Amino acid sequence: DSGVTQTPKHLITATGQRVTLRCSPRSGDLSVYWYQQSLDQGLQFLIQYYNGEERAKGNILERFSAQQFPDLHSELNLSSLELGDSALYFCASSAGGAVDTQYFGPGTRLTVL
Amino acid sequence: LAKTTQPISMDSYEGQEVNITCSHNNIATNDYITWYQQFPSQGPRFIIQGYKTKVTNEVASLFIPADRKSSTLSLPRVSLSDTAVYYCLVGVPFYNQGGKLIFGQGTELSVKP
Repeated sequence: DSGVTQTPKHLITATGQRVTLRCSPRSGDLSVYWYQQSLDQGLQFLIQYYNGEERAKGNILERFSAQQFPDLHSELNLSSLELGDSALYFCASSAGGAVDTQYFGPGTRLTVL
Repeated sequence: LAKTTQPISMDSYEGQEVNITCSHNNIATNDYITWYQQFPSQGPRFIIQGYKTKVTNEVASLFIPADRKSSTLSLPRVSLSDTAVYYCLVGVPFYNQGGKLIFGQGTELSVKP
């Protein structure tokens, strides 16, 4: 158990809909990262937040957005969903020190029908 | 960001030592080398991290030559439960550009009885 929790575990929705994925980092970790893993793309970095502020951005679509709240939990919002958005979405957290080890949550499996 | 190249798959037998080599010719001065393990439908799990020479922990060793253009993950006496995908990552420390990690294809290790 990494200490990172993600909800929900599974999510099934239809194209065009909007969903919110939630992540609670390990106790004391200030940094949260979001990754997407699909069969054809592998594990892709989406975005990082540190203590409430966006710090790094990867290949995140404009239809996707994220935020980190004062209690340090984070939410990833996916809108106008397409079939190709079906994937595993992982959240990771780290303390944010000089050597930044990331600890991953169990993931949310999103299926868009 | 440095690109990594590692074998797509490897086979081994229980009790053997497994060495997985990763090449990262464009590694930058500030980059650390990190290895993760991932089981199907689970989040990646941190194994080991190093900057140069040799690092050892309770599960693995990491060998990094002086030029740092490659690294080797060594798993002593593997068991069936070590069957997983292993990712080699090269990333910058947190305080430079955020902890963005780039995951390559990974190496699918299959351990047979």
